Amino acid sequence: DSGVTQTPKHLITATGQRVTLRCSPRSGDLSVYWYQQSLDQGLQFLIQYYNGEERAKGNILERFSAQQFPDLHSELNLSSLELGDSALYFCASSNGGHEQFFGPGTRLTVL
Amino acid sequence: TQLLEQSPQFLSIQEGENLTVYCNSSSVFSSLQWYRQEPGEGPVLLVTVVTGGEVKKLKRLTFQFGDARKDSSLHITAAQPGDTGLYLCAGVTTETSYDKVIFGPGTSLSVIP
Repeated sequence: DSGVTQTPKHLITATGQRVTLRCSPRSGDLSVYWYQQSLDQGLQFLIQYYNGEERAKGNILERFSAQQFPDLHSELNLSSLELGDSALYFCASSNGGHEQFFGPGTRLTVL
Repeated sequence: TQLLEQSPQFLSIQEGENLTVYCNSSSVFSSLQWYRQEPGEGPVLLVTVVTGGEVKKLKRLTFQFGDARKDSSLHITAAQPGDTGLYLCAGVTTETSYDKVIFGPGTSLSVIP
């Protein structure tokens, strides 16, 4: 158990819909990272937050957005969903070092 | 654009065999990490190597960082079914005022009993 929690574990929705994925980092970790993992794309970095502020952006679509709240939990919002958005979404946290602790992931299926 | 390549992409071996997987880049990294990911779970950090030429051992796993800090290898001795999983390398670079972690595409290892 990494100490990072993600909800929900599974999510099935339809094209065009909007979903919110939630992540609680390890106690004391200020950084939260979001990744998308699909079979053909591997682990793709989406975005990083540090203590509530956006720190780095990766290959995140404009239809996706994220935020980190004062209690340090983070949410990833995915809107206007397409079939190709079906993937595993991972959250990771760190305490400022390079080691990232990954959550169990949310498996999103868009039908 | 900094990219990490990993080879082979897939590897299927018999229990007891040895294997080596590679992680290569044209970029220099301040450190490099190896993660293992089991199906349906998040990646778990195995090791971080920092110094060029550094070798670290974790039981039957030996990790080496290239002298120029552009590449790394992971050698597994006497592989066991429990070693099955996706092995990801991740390079760390410093951009502006913060560090950036870049993941490779992974090597999927299957150890057959």
